Amino acid sequence: AQKVTQAQTEISVVEKEDVTLDCVYETRDTTYYLFWYKQPPSGELVFLIRRNSFDEQNEISGRYSWNFQKSTSSFNFTITASQVVDSAVYFCALSEQGGYNKLIFGAGTRLAVHP
Amino acid sequence: DTAVSQTPKYLVTQMGNDKSIKCEQNLGHDTMYWYKQDSKKFLKIMFSYNNKELIINETVPNRFSPKSPDKAHLNLHINSLELGDSAVYFCASSPGTNNQPQHFGDGTRLSIL
Repeated sequence: AQKVTQAQTEISVVEKEDVTLDCVYETRDTTYYLFWYKQPPSGELVFLIRRNSFDEQNEISGRYSWNFQKSTSSFNFTITASQVVDSAVYFCALSEQGGYNKLIFGAGTRLAVHP
Repeated sequence: DTAVSQTPKYLVTQMGNDKSIKCEQNLGHDTMYWYKQDSKKFLKIMFSYNNKELIINETVPNRFSPKSPDKAHLNLHINSLELGDSAVYFCASSPGTNNQPQHFGDGTRLSIL
């Protein structure tokens, strides 16, 4: 069965702190894809990253970085030097090869960055 | 300029009514989706169409009927609205079924009185 767990419901930090959002997934497929989406207070869903199961390289994009570890079935997201504009709900999602691109979302982590 | 657009943005209606939400994408994508986000922010897929053909139909009451007149449009019609249908409904599209990122519309907030 496929499942995505984001155990942190809410995180509160002060601006410029680093913060890591955890994501643990379950799948029986050997080929699968992991995603992160951001949902700011305005409500839209913004795509951040896609990673396939064969690529365990960490990725960095500006202040954002992602750590993919198949051994622990985790795909964690770190924001360095957080800013108020990072305040949002962040969703981790999984889709399986042959699953018709169905996205299985975690429950989301609400990040509040305070000035 | 908008990639995936949904109308209306807000929908307030009485229990028992029938309503529709429209979605259009100008990205040239082959696949479109409907997701429901409940009051706890949980997102769950409802339907997916690939080139006008239904390919995903998650356990959704048959009061919900998607219609895809062409691959750029996917509408959602809901009959006999119930209180539990109150949610934000998101339309999305992607290039195909090969796990490419999905692009989401801004959502339609449906409130049932």
